[in-house]
Amino acid sequence: NAGVTQTPKFRVLKTGQSMTLLCAQDMNHEYMYWYRQDPGMGLRLIHYSVGEGTTAKGEVPDGYNVSRLKKQNFLLGLESAAPSQTSVYFCASSYLADPGEQYFGPGTRLTVT
Amino acid sequence: GIQVEQSPPDLILQEGANSTLRCNFSDSVNNLQWFHQNPWGQLINLFYIPSGTKQNGRLSATTVATERYSLLYISSSQTTDSGVYFCAGGSYNTDKLIFGTGTRLQVFP
Repeated sequence: NAGVTQTPKFRVLKTGQSMTLLCAQDMNHEYMYWYRQDPGMGLRLIHYSVGEGTTAKGEVPDGYNVSRLKKQNFLLGLESAAPSQTSVYFCASSYLADPGEQYFGPGTRLTVT
Repeated sequence: GIQVEQSPPDLILQEGANSTLRCNFSDSVNNLQWFHQNPWGQLINLFYIPSGTKQNGRLSATTVATERYSLLYISSSQTTDSGVYFCAGGSYNTDKLIFGTGTRLQVFP
């Protein structure tokens, strides 16, 4: 049981480039989440999904898109990266609603120059 | 939406000391979690504790839902306890957790 995994672990982008972060979970969880963590701050929710084929906006959705084509995968896309998107990105999943106990991946450190 | 406040923001301890971290919520929650973020950035689930008290080794947590706060107790602290401790809460009819800004703990030998 790998739990929640994230790919890649590190990435450096130039302003305007695009990329996709992949989150995968093998716990058959319905709910998946993308957060970002900036220095000295807690985690802020970007987007989340309550099931395959669904997505919803969190606190800070601008500049990001997501897709949940398969239950076990949740993709986070940056279409045109900006320096303000330099952050550590965490994916999480949970089984229950309202919300249930969340389990986190190891994070992806993204730098946009 | 819910606001989450953690105190203290920073805590410095000598190995062996005990400590209490606090988390206050602006509204009722039905989900409350405590996490430890280690110096390598990994988030580790400590407790899922919407109410009541739980213990896991040297750590224990208590949530008093009616008074909108939760406490994390660390006894006989060790250097490996260093890192940032986050609490996060979610309310009824939402699918989201709201995180506090964390308590940074440094334990020195």
